[in-house]
Amino acid sequence: NAGVTQTPKFRVLKTGQSMTLLCAQDMNHEYMYWYRQDPGMGLRLIHYSVGEGTTAKGEVPDGYNVSRLKKQNFLLGLESAAPSQTSVYFCASSYSRTGTTDTQYFGPGTRLTVL
Amino acid sequence: GENVEQHPSTLSVQEGDSAVIKCTYSDSASNYFPWYKQELGKRPQLIIDIRSNVGEKKDQRIAVTLNKTAKHFSLHITETQPEDSAVYFCAASMGAGNTGKLIFGQGTTLQVKP
Repeated sequence: NAGVTQTPKFRVLKTGQSMTLLCAQDMNHEYMYWYRQDPGMGLRLIHYSVGEGTTAKGEVPDGYNVSRLKKQNFLLGLESAAPSQTSVYFCASSYSRTGTTDTQYFGPGTRLTVL
Repeated sequence: GENVEQHPSTLSVQEGDSAVIKCTYSDSASNYFPWYKQELGKRPQLIIDIRSNVGEKKDQRIAVTLNKTAKHFSLHITETQPEDSAVYFCAASMGAGNTGKLIFGQGTTLQVKP
């Protein structure tokens, strides 16, 4: 049981390049989330998904796209990277229960630098 | 928009002392309040959580209290140890409905001096 995994762990991009971050979970969780973490700003929600085939915008969605083609995977794409997207990206997942919010389990993070 | 304010941003205590971190939230529909600990270079990990039908919860040296009327909740760590040094984040569930979304505080860096 690996929990939540992310690939890659580190990446350096040049401005304008594109890339995709992969998140995978083996806990059969319905909900998945992408956050970015910047110094002094906590964790900010980029996009999230409440089930296979569904996605929705979070607090800071601009410049990112996501897809959830399979329940266990949640992909985060940067179409044209900008230096402002230099950050640590965390994926998380949780169960879904009607009328309540459940614990989010985080992946190990991806450190992205855009030059 | 909805937000969570967390204080202090940094906290330094002597080993064995207590540490208290406080958070306030704005969304009256929030009903779930987790606390995460993040060690340097690691992922955030849940250490304790509380739901709105409970006023206090304890787990060994850590406790969380919730005041729904005042919209604030606090983390209490007693008998602090050097391994408690980390960044702590509070969070509150967002909005009505079951999206599972959380909004996080800005974090508190706790340093426990031996």
